Amino acid sequence: SAVISQKPSRDICQRGTSLTIQCQVDSQVTMMFWYRQQPGQSLTLIATANQGSEATYESGFVIDKFPISRPNLTFSTLTVSNMSPEDSSIYLCSVGPGGWETQYFGPGTRLLVL
Amino acid sequence: EDKVVQSPLSLVVHEGDTVTLNCSYEVTNFRSLLWYKQEKKAPTFLFMLTSSGIEKKSGRLSSILDKKELFSILNITATQTGDSAVYLCAAHSPLPSGTYKYIFGTGTRLKVLA
Repeated sequence: SAVISQKPSRDICQRGTSLTIQCQVDSQVTMMFWYRQQPGQSLTLIATANQGSEATYESGFVIDKFPISRPNLTFSTLTVSNMSPEDSSIYLCSVGPGGWETQYFGPGTRLLVL
Repeated sequence: EDKVVQSPLSLVVHEGDTVTLNCSYEVTNFRSLLWYKQEKKAPTFLFMLTSSGIEKKSGRLSSILDKKELFSILNITATQTGDSAVYLCAAHSPLPSGTYKYIFGTGTRLKVLA
């Protein structure tokens, strides 16, 4: 299995500011995923980040709002830009070591935007 | 559009009861189905099911997949208060690009009363 850490674990931010969330994995993985879970909702995929290529965003999510970096096979960042209260959510990164294996989740970042 | 639907949305039972959680899916390119338990932030992996009719078991939890009827069930016997959580199912879908993604269901919130 993969061990994943995320920073920060939680934050309270003012509207209009930006927050960058870091995701670190203890082994090299090809694919990393970023999810959002709004209060009382299930997980919604924001984008898939492959090392060496542009992130692939799901419908409803755009790069200007959620820029993603993937500089190497063990690290990724997600920035939530120009935040509004609607961005208050748990943000989770996950990794899929291989097509037939399960994905593992980081501990999540709980974001509150005032 | 690909979707995964879980039922019931929430469930309250007493310790010792047996519960069955349902997950149905409509996914264009389906590979496997996964079950997760989410207590606080990060979902933890329970089962991955790829073949129809083969039950997977872990202690008091078991799960089975029906690829003809496009559904899976998760059974928990002799429930305990520690089983209280949100249970998520996700469909693993390979993509034409050679990558893949997971489509999550809405989740079932289980509360077990002492």
